[in-house]
Amino acid sequence: NAGVTQTPKFQVLKTGQSMTLQCAQDMNHNSMYWYRQDPGMGLRLIYYSASEGTTDKGEVPNGYNVSRLNKREFSLRLESAAPSQTSVYFCASSELWESNEKLFFGSGTQLSVL
Amino acid sequence: RKEVEQDPGPFNVPEGATVAFNCTYSNSASQSFFWYRQDCRKEPKLLMSVYSSGNEDGRFTAQLNRASQYISLLIRDSKLSDSATYLCVVRGNYGQNFVFGPGTRLSVLP
Repeated sequence: NAGVTQTPKFQVLKTGQSMTLQCAQDMNHNSMYWYRQDPGMGLRLIYYSASEGTTDKGEVPNGYNVSRLNKREFSLRLESAAPSQTSVYFCASSELWESNEKLFFGSGTQLSVL
Repeated sequence: RKEVEQDPGPFNVPEGATVAFNCTYSNSASQSFFWYRQDCRKEPKLLMSVYSSGNEDGRFTAQLNRASQYISLLIRDSKLSDSATYLCVVRGNYGQNFVFGPGTRLSVLP
């Protein structure tokens, strides 16, 4: 039972390079999320997808794009990486309409932009 | 003002101590409340949901005061394995997003 699988675990980019973070969940959840975590800031929502075919901006969407490829997969793309995007990125999923909703997280991606 | 605020920490306590974490939230329409635990360099994991009547899970007790928009987590008889960052999480009605506090780090010392 894999849960939420996120790749890569580590990545170093040069300013201006692009990359895509991949996320997949096998729990048949409708909702998926991308967060970034910076020291002292907590987790901040970048983008989310309430269901297959929909995506919406979160608190800090600038510099990012997302694709909800199907119900399982939700990718995050950095088109032109900047040092301010150095962070730990977490993908998560949940079943939004359950009475006892719970977020399941991937293991995170440590991204450094030089 | 941040939507969810927590004690800044860190808290350094000896084994066996009782420690309490506080959290306040600004959105009075919030409906669901949680405590998550995050170990160093790991993903957050749900510790417990917080209900209006208060709830207990072993050594952990969570309380909610809607009038004061305040949530607490009490850990009794602290263990070394309780060392982690504790995240307060708030959510509006079903279909709305989870909002995380900055977290409070706990170190339980031998």
